[in-house]
Amino acid sequence: DQQVKQNSPSLSVQEGRISILNCDYTNSMFDYFLWYKKYPAEGPTFLISISSIKDKNEDGRFTVFLNKSAKHLSLHIVPSQPGDSAVYFCAASVIKGNKLVFGAGTILRVKS
Amino acid sequence: GAVVSQHPSWVICKSGTSVKIECRSLDFQATTMFWYRQFPKQSLMLMATSNEGSKATYEQGVEKDKFLINHASLTLSTLTVTSAHPEDSSFYICSARDPFSETQYFGPGTRLLVL
Repeated sequence: DQQVKQNSPSLSVQEGRISILNCDYTNSMFDYFLWYKKYPAEGPTFLISISSIKDKNEDGRFTVFLNKSAKHLSLHIVPSQPGDSAVYFCAASVIKGNKLVFGAGTILRVKS
Repeated sequence: GAVVSQHPSWVICKSGTSVKIECRSLDFQATTMFWYRQFPKQSLMLMATSNEGSKATYEQGVEKDKFLINHASLTLSTLTVTSAHPEDSSFYICSARDPFSETQYFGPGTRLLVL
């Protein structure tokens, strides 16, 4: 049972444009959500997080939006840069800091 | 962000041998660390939660006698794959929870290949 779903396996975006990565979840107990970026053969790098009491969190070029009623969150990267090309994982936890459930990941390719 | 290291970065071993992987938090003390594994083209799956000074909590389906976890200090957790077999070949990644932000920071991972 996949509790965290990233339905788009890949996304291709032109440099300078916006990248939108989507994530859906089924467990209504999830209270904290995170996005990680990962290169092959490396560990995930933390990007941004959001608590369920918020609907938006912004950090530089990265913004995460949370729609609790739809059990949906998205990561916006603007402007996209070639260095953003990587696999992006959405993750969720029932309690902040506790075990994470990861989505399958979305490969982002930013073309220059 | 916080720094978490893993050692070794890759290891090749013969079937039946044991392999120890170390995970260290370099700039913060972590009472809680996590061990994940990732198979090719799949997501990260939590294996166990490692708590300093107490027994690890294993996820369903993970054999605790095969994957021994020790969290002897606030900056070090180890995962020992005992009597490794080819099906244990995978990418093992640890994370450490920053006590202030409660964010999990990940190590670079260890590639294990069992022949």
